[in-house]
Amino acid sequence: AQSVAQPEDQVNVAEGNPLTVKCTYSVSGNPYLFWYVQYPNRGLQFLLKYITGDNLVKGSYGFEAEFNKSQTSFHLKKPSALVSDSALYFCAVRDFLYNNNDMRFGAGTRLTVKP
Amino acid sequence: EAGVTQFPSHSVIEKGQTVTLRCDPISGHDNLYWYRRVMGKEIKFLLHFVKESKQDESGMPNNRFLAERTGGTYSTLKVQPAELEDSGVYFCASSPIGGASDTQYFGPGTRLTVL
Repeated sequence: AQSVAQPEDQVNVAEGNPLTVKCTYSVSGNPYLFWYVQYPNRGLQFLLKYITGDNLVKGSYGFEAEFNKSQTSFHLKKPSALVSDSALYFCAVRDFLYNNNDMRFGAGTRLTVKP
Repeated sequence: EAGVTQFPSHSVIEKGQTVTLRCDPISGHDNLYWYRRVMGKEIKFLLHFVKESKQDESGMPNNRFLAERTGGTYSTLKVQPAELEDSGVYFCASSPIGGASDTQYFGPGTRLTVL
């Protein structure tokens, strides 16, 4: 069965600094990995996903994530944080082996970017 | 293109009462999913519809929860009778194709509080 861990409940960065939101996963087969963001009073918005190919995936709002198979990680990154990036971020995984629709989410990481 | 919509945005009910949540997926999306996030924890899968058929309902917590998608368009999730532990945010998502690599698009959620 697949699972996701987001080891940090909270990440604080200063505006203009690089940010990283961590995610590790566990699957039986090959993973499909996703990042979603939830702004206050809004639904989950899709940021990016890794299916296959290049390990570095670029997504919306300048975010990118790097798939690392040996470390079973899919950390979300941005070179220069904005105050408007403050939100709740969720990592999710599906298992290619089972090709199911049961997406497993992490508990979420709250990112706060301070001016 | 309109996104996934959910109604109501908030619901406060007393233990033992009945509540019905509604989800309207993106037009043309055959796949519809329900998820739930209990306070501070991960988002958990409840069930998946393909058109009007339940493809996977393995995440439904118990028989107090009933989901329907008559006609394959909007879906309802009824909780009867509601218990305190049912409190949380209920998300609906839709996708056009299905399959493990498919992106799911989420609605804003319904925050349910059971007193």
